[in-house]
Amino acid sequence: QFQLVESGGGVVPPGGSLRLSCAASGFTFSSYGMHWVRQSPGKGLEWVAFIRHDANNKNYPDSVKGRFTISRDNSKNTLFLQMNSLRAEDTAVYYCAKDLDGGNSGYLDSWGQGTLVTVFS
Amino acid sequence: DIQMTQSPSSLSASVGDRVTITCRASQSFDTYLNWYQQKPGEAPKLLIYAASSLHTGVPSRFSGSGSGTEFTLTISSLQPEDFATYYCQQTYRTPWTFGQGTKVEIK
Repeated sequence: QFQLVESGGGVVPPGGSLRLSCAASGFTFSSYGMHWVRQSPGKGLEWVAFIRHDANNKNYPDSVKGRFTISRDNSKNTLFLQMNSLRAEDTAVYYCAKDLDGGNSGYLDSWGQGTLVTVFS
Repeated sequence: DIQMTQSPSSLSASVGDRVTITCRASQSFDTYLNWYQQKPGEAPKLLIYAASSLHTGVPSRFSGSGSGTEFTLTISSLQPEDFATYYCQQTYRTPWTFGQGTKVEIK
């Protein structure tokens, strides 16, 4: 069974940085594209980053481009999200999610339980 | 960015009811549309992808249809475990965008 476990969330002041991790198991991690999706408290879902299975392609929405960096270590079955210059509006639960294929189909067929990031001064 | 608008934002229904949720896109894109279910305190789960393909393990009472700018998710006979919030998502053009959600509550 696919399993994704996020960690690294916490409270950080505006302008600060945080690095999220997502440990994957139960599937061949190196064969699949991976995503980060966030959900603000009581709000809807926002896709924030994608990385191809071989890390040769990455995508971000304008809201985080230049501030967030997605990466992966296929030898350790782990996905990362480096978040810099954090703002209050980045406060959310951050989920890692597996793509249905190796590219960026956008079909998110397995999700972690999420980790909460709070940007607060 | 492509805007996704769901209707209604919430609905009340009884067990056994047929429920339909609509998702409209700000531009046309064939069948690049997915549906997710989210229960309180849990992560979303993929129900339907490519507008009408049922994801593995999803009960057959769920179905999806539509293309272009209007899509629907139908639950043919609502079950107690189906009370949740449902989101549509377009995967035609990045950034992938979601609808605002439709909360299905017990009547």
